[in-house]
Amino acid sequence: NAGVMQNPRHLVRRRGQEARLRCSPMKGHSHVYWYRQLPEEGLKFMVYLQKENIIDESGMPKERFSAEFPKEGPSILRIQQVVRGDSAAYFCASSPPGGQNTIYFGEGSWLTVV
Amino acid sequence: QKEVEQDPGPLSVPEGAIVSLNCTYSNSAFQYFMWYRQYSRKGPELLMYTYSSGNKEDGRFTAQVDKSSKYISLFIRDSQPSDSATYLCAMLKTGANNLFFGTGTRLTVIP
Repeated sequence: NAGVMQNPRHLVRRRGQEARLRCSPMKGHSHVYWYRQLPEEGLKFMVYLQKENIIDESGMPKERFSAEFPKEGPSILRIQQVVRGDSAAYFCASSPPGGQNTIYFGEGSWLTVV
Repeated sequence: QKEVEQDPGPLSVPEGAIVSLNCTYSNSAFQYFMWYRQYSRKGPELLMYTYSSGNKEDGRFTAQVDKSSKYISLFIRDSQPSDSATYLCAMLKTGANNLFFGTGTRLTVIP
């Protein structure tokens, strides 16, 4: 499967725990984006990364959320001390260099905080 | 006011009907326009991408952009039950990194 790969697909965490979501971009894509989809709301941009660099994190909550895209391995979105309001679908997307207008999404990771 | 407005529906049509889905936007900085299809509990799938005003056709799908009215449309001809999904419009400003999405229109095509 050459598409954007996300895991886990479903994740349940208790309040206060940490959630780690992983994303491997499409083959040949070096740009990764994370979006969040809250119930009954549209997709909202969180962060845009290239290898070892955060390019735009204007959509990231200021606290508890962080993202990385290391030289080797998948991109990771980390949510510390999760709260009920973090329950959402988190989508990773990727594009080739300069291809922000052709962004392809993964299947999403559904986080439930209990 | 949201930068991208989309009627959430739901929209139900009989099989074979022509479907019209629309979005409006308020910021003339948007220059790239996309339509995504999202099935339940799945990721958005890119259907169409347009840049300029006018029409772009791909099979049963036609995307239309009217920049003067800040209005975009997606038409689906000969709709099929498999077209039942949520359709999301998305827009990108020149030089920007993030897509702005509408809230999606839920479509059901009844056999």
